[in-house]
Amino acid sequence: GAVVSQHPSWVICKSGTSVKIECRSLDFQATTMFWYRQFPKQSLMLMATSNEGSKATYEQGVEKDKFLINHASLTLSTLTVTSAHPEDSSFYICSARDDSGGLGIGGQYFGPGTRLLVL
Amino acid sequence: DAKTTQPPSMDCAEGRAANLPCNHSTISGNEYVYWYRQIHSQGPQYIIHGLKNNETNEMASLIITEDRKSSTLILPHATLRDTAVYYCIVRSGTSYGKLTFGQGTILTVHP
Repeated sequence: GAVVSQHPSWVICKSGTSVKIECRSLDFQATTMFWYRQFPKQSLMLMATSNEGSKATYEQGVEKDKFLINHASLTLSTLTVTSAHPEDSSFYICSARDDSGGLGIGGQYFGPGTRLLVL
Repeated sequence: DAKTTQPPSMDCAEGRAANLPCNHSTISGNEYVYWYRQIHSQGPQYIIHGLKNNETNEMASLIITEDRKSSTLILPHATLRDTAVYYCIVRSGTSYGKLTFGQGTILTVHP
């Protein structure tokens, strides 16, 4: 099946620094990718929809200046958490929709997630 | 997209069929039913999806009632590795791809 990778899988940083997370679709093209955040014992919350070549669409309550998204190619989207604080510590998961229609119109392939710990 | 209701938790014995219900009574005609699962500390994994016909793949079967107001995901021979949170998601075929995750069902498969 199609594979989505994320890098890094784990990151620990100091408060005030910025962290970049990469999401790659390895064997398919993805015009649209999604970024989710998951806190312990909670469900996934969609943060933003990333579209190749255009600005990301953020969900209500998500600060676009804090969570910068760049979708520079059909296989790569990046999420940068700027000036990270301890409350940003979470599990960040990306997903990608296969442009060829795999999994149907609503299907997404998910990455393994990135665990961020801000000290 | 229509809202779904799932039991918070279920147990199943290894080797038995696991039947996970989902209620989506407000589903409309162009909305699909998707099932994903999330094993602890991993990203969600696609299982199956359907519109109105029953579907089967190598992982599971999806049974959708005739009125489409509910569905059941069937894992025919559950293993310990099937222990996960299972999410039933209903989404429109015309929206631009967003998936809204509810709380899901925690399935625990025990020996």
